[in-house]
Amino acid sequence: GAVVSQHPSRVICKSGTSVKIECRSLDFQATTMFWYRQFPKQSLMLMATSNEGSKATYEQGVEKDKFLINHASLTLSTLTVTSAHPEDSSFYICSAARRDRVGETQYFGPGTRLLVL
Amino acid sequence: GQQLNQSPQSMFIQEGEDVSMNCTSSSIFNTWLWYKQEPGEGPVLLIALYKAGELTSNGRLTAQFGITRKDSFLNISASIPSDVGIYFCAGQGGGSNYKLTFGKGTLLTVNP
Repeated sequence: GAVVSQHPSRVICKSGTSVKIECRSLDFQATTMFWYRQFPKQSLMLMATSNEGSKATYEQGVEKDKFLINHASLTLSTLTVTSAHPEDSSFYICSAARRDRVGETQYFGPGTRLLVL
Repeated sequence: GQQLNQSPQSMFIQEGEDVSMNCTSSSIFNTWLWYKQEPGEGPVLLIALYKAGELTSNGRLTAQFGITRKDSFLNISASIPSDVGIYFCAGQGGGSNYKLTFGKGTLLTVNP
């Protein structure tokens, strides 16, 4: 149990275009999902917390108008990178929080590699 | 943002050896988690610790939640080549704060 999928797994786009990444919890409902960004040989950096039915909460320094997050249902959150530029190239990873007996544990998706040309 | 102090940064060991890595923090956490990440993949949860002093095993892996709630360690016994990867510790706050604070990771290389 606790499987999280992401689509697409990798995407190449031209500068100026927008890219949408989907995150789905396949076998549990997640009221909270998280979006992370990871640069090579670095740890995960939290971008935003996505709550079902409400606006996402963005971390300091993350542009909410550039990284649009929609948490449409208890199993789906999407991240749209608008007007992408080469500096947005990165590994984007989502996680979904599953409620268990002691709290909520985050389970991660396989990540999406974005390359902006 | 805040990060945990995770050490060592990297380890090169021979197959069959035991491995130990740890994380320390200046802040208290209610939950400690250990994840493993392989190249091009997302982190996979290995062990979750919910109670100070708790010692939990998952196969050849053993992790402990420090009694001060500011540290945790992960041990891997009898390492095998497929143990290769980056191991991250993460601390989680309490109440409605489910955010994770990550360590910088320990890169483990196992020579067969």
